[in-house]
Amino acid sequence: TQLLEQSPQFLSIQEGENLTVYCNSSSVFSSLQWYRQEPGEGPVLLVTVVTGGEVKKLKRLTFQFGDARKDSSLHITAAQPGDTGLYLCAGRNAGNMLTFGGGTRLMVKP
Amino acid sequence: DTAVSQTPKYLVTQMGNDKSIKCEQNLGHDTMYWYKQDSKKFLKIMFSYNNKELIINETVPNRFSPKSPDKAHLNLHINSLELGDSAVYFCASSLQGNSYEQYFGPGTRLTVT
Repeated sequence: TQLLEQSPQFLSIQEGENLTVYCNSSSVFSSLQWYRQEPGEGPVLLVTVVTGGEVKKLKRLTFQFGDARKDSSLHITAAQPGDTGLYLCAGRNAGNMLTFGGGTRLMVKP
Repeated sequence: DTAVSQTPKYLVTQMGNDKSIKCEQNLGHDTMYWYKQDSKKFLKIMFSYNNKELIINETVPNRFSPKSPDKAHLNLHINSLELGDSAVYFCASSLQGNSYEQYFGPGTRLTVT
C-alpha cells in the first residue's frame, strides 16, 4: 500500500505569514496533485506535477515535486484568510488510481 | 452549471438498511470514481469505473457496489449498513484513463445510527 504523509496536520497562522506544507512517501509516484477542500464541498484540483524536481507557481502558491518523485511541498507566500481550507496531496500510481494524504488543515486569521 | 452532482446531500439511516447514493456528471467524462472521507478527513478511493473496467479497492466490503446505468451516472449501493459506514462519500469523474484532473461532487454525508 502506498502511503502519503502530510505535515503539519494543522496550521493556524496570521494573515501575511508564509507557510510550507509537506507531503512525503516512501513510494515513487508517476505524478502528484494538490487539492484544496472547503467545508461542505468536494476537493478542487490546484496543480499536477509530473517531473522530478518540477516547480509550479499559482499566484502566491508554489508547488515542488521532489527529485525522486516521492515527496512534494506547497509553499504559500503572504497567506490570506481566503487560503483557509484543507489541503490534500494525492499521488497517482501505476494503476491510475489516486492515493490521498491525510490532509493539512490551514487556518489564516485576519 | 453543476459539473458533478450527488444526491442526497445528507442521508441518515439505521443499521441494517440498504441505501443508494446517486452521482451524475455532465462533463462528458468516461471514468467515474467513488471516495470515502472519514471523520479525520482521510480520503480513500473505493471504486474506479469506466465503460470497460471496474477497479475495486480490495479493502472495500462487498456490501458496497457501484451501478452505472450510463456513462454519465455512477450510483453507489450499500447493503446492510453498519455504524462504521458513517462518512462523507464523494463521487468524481475524469477523462478516460487520465486521473490528472478529477472533478469532485459536493459529497453525501451518510450517518448510520
